[in-house]
Formats: sequence, C-alpha cells, structure tokens
Amino acid sequence: RKEVEQDPGPFNVPEGATVAFNCTYSNSASQSFFWYRQDCRKEPKLLMSVYSSGNEDGRFTAQLNRASQYISLLIRDSKLSDSATYLCVVTQFSGGYNKLIFGAGTRLAVHP
Amino acid sequence: EPEVTQTPSHQVTQMGQEVILRCVPISNHLYFYWYRQILGQKVEFLVSFYNNEISEKSEIFDDQFSVERPDGSNFTLKIRSTKLEDSAMYFCASEGRGNEQYFGPGTRLTVT
Repeated sequence: RKEVEQDPGPFNVPEGATVAFNCTYSNSASQSFFWYRQDCRKEPKLLMSVYSSGNEDGRFTAQLNRASQYISLLIRDSKLSDSATYLCVVTQFSGGYNKLIFGAGTRLAVHP
Repeated sequence: EPEVTQTPSHQVTQMGQEVILRCVPISNHLYFYWYRQILGQKVEFLVSFYNNEISEKSEIFDDQFSVERPDGSNFTLKIRSTKLEDSAMYFCASEGRGNEQYFGPGTRLTVT
C-alpha cells in the first residue's frame, strides 16, 4: 500500500464549482498533515495545515479523520487561479525530526 | 515575507561531474531538508539536517550525496559523480516551529 494515496485526476471543473480532494495515508503514527499546491515546474507551496477539528481558510476547508486515516480538501467557488496540482502530505516523525511524505498529487483544471 | 532561496535555478552537467546545489533557508529556522522530484513523479525526501548534522537520510541519499552548512546561512547539497538518473528538480526546505516546511524554488538538474 502506498504511504499516501490520492486520486490522480485530472479534475476539470468550471469556475464557481466546488471540488473535493481525498487522500488516505498508511502510517497511523503520522502526526502532522498538510495540503500543498504545486504549479507546473514550481515548488510545492504550503496551502494549509490539517487538524482533527477541521480548519477553514476562506474558500478552502480541510478535514482529518485519524480513525480512517483520511484527509480531505474542499475548494468552494473555484477560480481559474486554483488550477494546480494539490499534494496531500503527511509527516513521519523520526529521531526528533519530521520528514514529509508526499502523495503523487491530484491535478485540478478550472475552466471559464 | 521571508523565503527560501536556491541557486542555480538550472544546472546542466555531464555524467560523472560533481555539482553543488545551494540553498539559503529562512533565517530563524533550525531544521533543513532536501527533496527531489523527478519529472512527472512525486516529491521524495532525501535528507534532513539539524545542528550541523544529518538526522535522517533516505535510500536515495547514497555515498555520492553529501550536505553541509559551511557558514551560518548557506545549506548545500553535493553530488560527487552525477548519473543520468540524478536529473530532477531538487528542492530545499526549511522548518520553523509548528512542523511547517517552506520550500525554495528548486534547482533543475539536467545530467547529460
């Protein structure tokens, strides 16, 4: 089983649509969870951390279910500028340090 | 807003040559990482570094790779004898409190 699994997409949606990304992770000891976005040939940029209580940042809502080892990201009222690859990322805590384990990403294309 | 910087943005080298990739992490961060991303694949952890020591390295990080922090600001990744399969984007990341890692813009390494 992959450490972090995501639907590869692509998701093609019109502007204004709501889109949901799902992710599962295999290591129950993972402690921190993030969504990053990556534009083509650019670096991953931190979008938001994900907490068990759920968190929202404007149009973006992230949820974590530790029991199911499942993470989600919801984007409401999608914009053209949201087009990117969304990376689900978990940390593996080892020897006092965190290494990030990346999913392969889900590509989102928002069209007019 | 402080950011991670990396140089060069693109490095072309011949197989067997040594390359040094440079990074300047965010100034008050203490934990530093290198990741790589082969074109079309996911981001992979290479090595973590703290207090002038490697804290963890992946299977990819073999004897051909080394890291150091030669002064208070730079953080370098050296590949002694490059192979064709080392061609990838190399990202430096730094971590402050809260387990959030911020990535530099990357160095695209092309080995011919």
